[in-house]
Amino acid sequence: GQNIDQPTEMTATEGAIVQINCTYQTSGFNGLFWYQQHAGEAPTFLSYNVLDGLEEKGRFSSFLSRSKGYSYLLLKELQMKDSASYLCAVRDRGGYNKLIFGAGTRLAVHP
Amino acid sequence: SAVISQKPSRDICQRGTSLTIQCQVDSQVTMMFWYRQQPGQSLTLIATANQGSEATYESGFVIDKFPISRPNLTFSTLTVSNMSPEDSSIYLCSVVDTRLNTEAFFGQGTRLTVV
Repeated sequence: GQNIDQPTEMTATEGAIVQINCTYQTSGFNGLFWYQQHAGEAPTFLSYNVLDGLEEKGRFSSFLSRSKGYSYLLLKELQMKDSASYLCAVRDRGGYNKLIFGAGTRLAVHP
Repeated sequence: SAVISQKPSRDICQRGTSLTIQCQVDSQVTMMFWYRQQPGQSLTLIATANQGSEATYESGFVIDKFPISRPNLTFSTLTVSNMSPEDSSIYLCSVVDTRLNTEAFFGQGTRLTVV
C-alpha cells in the first residue's frame, strides 16, 4: 500500500518563501508529482521528480530524496494568487501508472 | 498537453437515480482514471478505465456502484448509480500518455449534488 503525508494548512506572507513537505511510503515508486488546485478548479501540474535532487521551474522548485521517502515544494516570491491547495502525489510502478494523492496542503498567502 | 472535456460540469440529482459523466480527450492516451474529491478533501482514485475491458477498481469502490466504460482511447464514462447524499462530490477524469511518460492531466470536474 501507499501512505502520503503533508501538512494540512500553512500560512505565509506575500513576497516570502514557503516550503511544503511531503513524506511517502510506497511499494513501487515511479515518480512524485506536485499539483496546485484553486478552489472550485481542477488540479494543475506543477512539477515532477523521479530522481534525487532539485528541479527548478521559475518561482517553484521541487526536491526529492528517494532513500528518505521525502519531497518538498518550494515557492519563492509568494503572490496572493499562490493561495491554493498543493497536492503531493506518488506514481506507483505496479499500478497502471496511477497517481495516489496526499490529503493536500492549503496555503494562505496574506499581505 | 491533453485537452479534456468533461460533461456535465455540474448536476443536482434525486437520490436513487443514476448519473453518467462523460470524459473526452483530444488525443489518443494510454491511461484514463476516475477520481472523486469530496468537499474539502483531496483526490481519491475510484478506478482505472481500461479500453475494451472491465475497469480496475480501488479498494472501497465496486462496479455495481460506479460502472465505467472505455470504448476507445479517447473516451470514457463513469456512472454513479443509485445515488445517495453521500455521493455528493466532485468527480474528475484524468489522463496520462505513458508513451511520453507525462504528468496526469485533469478534466474540469463534475460537481454532483444529491438531494
